[in-house]
Order: sequence, then structure tokens, then C-alpha cells
Amino acid sequence: DGGITQSPKYLFRKEGQNVTLSCEQNLNHDAMYWYRQDPGQGLRLIYYSQIVNDFQKGDIAEGYSVSREKKESFPLTVTSAQKNPTAFYLCASSIGVGKETQYFGPGTRLLVL
Amino acid sequence: GQNIDQPTEMTATEGAIVQINCTYQTSGFNGLFWYQQHAGEAPTFLSYNVLDGLEEKGRFSSFLSRSKGYSYLLLKELQMKDSASYLCAVRAPGAGSYQLTFGKGTKLSVIP
Repeated sequence: DGGITQSPKYLFRKEGQNVTLSCEQNLNHDAMYWYRQDPGQGLRLIYYSQIVNDFQKGDIAEGYSVSREKKESFPLTVTSAQKNPTAFYLCASSIGVGKETQYFGPGTRLLVL
Repeated sequence: GQNIDQPTEMTATEGAIVQINCTYQTSGFNGLFWYQQHAGEAPTFLSYNVLDGLEEKGRFSSFLSRSKGYSYLLLKELQMKDSASYLCAVRAPGAGSYQLTFGKGTKLSVIP
């Protein structure tokens, strides 16, 4: 089946620790995105990538980093510089940036210990 | 900047019809999306409007008026499984390209 997978479903972070969230898609989509969702707020864009080896900052990129070494994969690292990381993180993909619908993965819930 | 407004919560009865409104003020416009999101799950695509008018898809319909900056999602023959949050999102220029800006979502509760 084609789709987007994210792992893990739940992730716990200790103070000062970097953690990496995985996102993989087999839809052959060029564009991939990371969003953060907090209670009572809309989804906010962290980073997006239009093509392999290219990515751009979204509205709330501070404290996060990404890489796009393969078309299928777009991992997100939450660094220790992100002071309020507790949130639901959603990865999405589309045929291209600004083109067609974005399809979402199941999400990763990050909690701080 | 981009601003999207939708009601925070709504309640409707099983079998009834409910209309969820969305108003937007954005710098540019390249389409409006509606997503359904059950608690703790990923948003799933419902509809897309880029031209004025009504798009119908089974029990769900979506309307757009670009001149008024207004859209609504119409759900007919409500079922208990329709209890979810409904997200309105506008595609507009931002962060160097066309991006989706999401409203805060409308939590719909369907009661027997």
C-alpha cells in the first residue's frame, strides 16, 4: 500500500537531548513537509522540502533541523534549543510544493520528561 | 499576514445537516482545503475548492466565495463517526512558495 509512515508513535525527550522523528513515504512525491500541532492551535509549518537535498524554513523553524538525502525520507530533529517541544508532529507529502493535496502521516507525539 | 477563522466547537444531532464556516484574509489565494481529523490521528483530505461555487462529494459538500473570503463545509445525514475536528486550510504565498495556512479547527460533536 502507498502511504506515509512516521515513527515512533510516542517519543520522550529528556532536557538537553536531541531527538529525531522519522518520516517515510512511498507515494513518489517530490514535496515533503513537517507541521507541529498544539492544542487549540492550527497546524504550523516547521520545514518543507521541494526536492532531494533542498529544504526551506517554515514559520517556526527555530530549534529544529531537517535533512532530505533521499526522496522517500524527511527526518526531523528536535534540538535542545527548542524550549517547548511537547506537541503532536505531523509529516505530509504532495506531488509538488504548491501543487495538489497534501497527505499526512499518522503523527508522532513528543513529550518532555 | 494570513488569518483564517472558524468556530471552535459545534454540536449537531445524528441524521441532521451541519454547516461549518470558514473565513479567511490572506495575501494571495491558490485554493482552499478541508480536512477531517479524529482525535489523536492524522488529518485526512475531504475537499478542495479553487473556483467559486459548490463541490459535492457524497454526504460532504464544500462551497467557496473568493470575493467574500468565505467557505463552508456541509455535512448531511450526520453519523456518529463524523464526530471529529474539521480543519480549513488556505493555500497562499508564504515562506518562499505557496504554502497551506490552517485554521484552528472546528470540533464537531454528533449526539444521538
